[in-house]
Amino acid sequence: KQEVTQIPAALSVPEGENLVLNCSFTDSAIYNLQWFRQDPGKGLTSLLLIQSSQREQTSGRLNASLDKSSGRSTLYIAASQPGDSATYLCAVKIMNTGNQFYFGTGTSLTVIP
Amino acid sequence: DAGVIQSPRHEVTEMGQEVTLRCKPISGHNSLFWYRQTMMRGLELLIYFNNNVPIDDSGMPEDRFSAKMPNASFSTLKIQPSEPRDSAVYFCASSFADRGKQFFGPGTRLTVL
Repeated sequence: KQEVTQIPAALSVPEGENLVLNCSFTDSAIYNLQWFRQDPGKGLTSLLLIQSSQREQTSGRLNASLDKSSGRSTLYIAASQPGDSATYLCAVKIMNTGNQFYFGTGTSLTVIP
Repeated sequence: DAGVIQSPRHEVTEMGQEVTLRCKPISGHNSLFWYRQTMMRGLELLIYFNNNVPIDDSGMPEDRFSAKMPNASFSTLKIQPSEPRDSAVYFCASSFADRGKQFFGPGTRLTVL
């Protein structure tokens, strides 16, 4: 079974810092990987989707990279803002299992003004 | 588009009662997912549908849980009888085709007393 791990579990940074969130997975035969953010008491919002053939995706201040061979993905947030405070989850879809996504446990980010 | 719509947003019930959660996916999406989120276990996929057909229900915890999708715009998740350990936030998500981003609803917070 695919295991998805996110480190650190919690992160606190001052406003303006650049930061990196990590996601690792055990089965490299993935179809794609998706990063989400979840605000307290809310649903998940999709941030970036990286197909297995891609190395990275960018959206505004966010950049996600994918290294299938090492089973790792990173989410880079540039010039962090207090509004970035949320829990960030990664989810991987593996081959041959239809639409099954395996979620990590998330990184809780706090950006201090 | 209004996004994925779930109802009710909050449900409090007593042990033994039947609970029905409802979901309306984004129009045009052909895949629908039911997830459960708890502090202990994180986000777990319960069941998903492609073109209204259940594809994988291996995540459904036990026979007390059932899900239906009578048409492309509506799905239900039913728990009968409910138990306190079913207390969680239940999310519905939808996507277009197997490769698409998943879009989540706001969730239903279920409390079973």
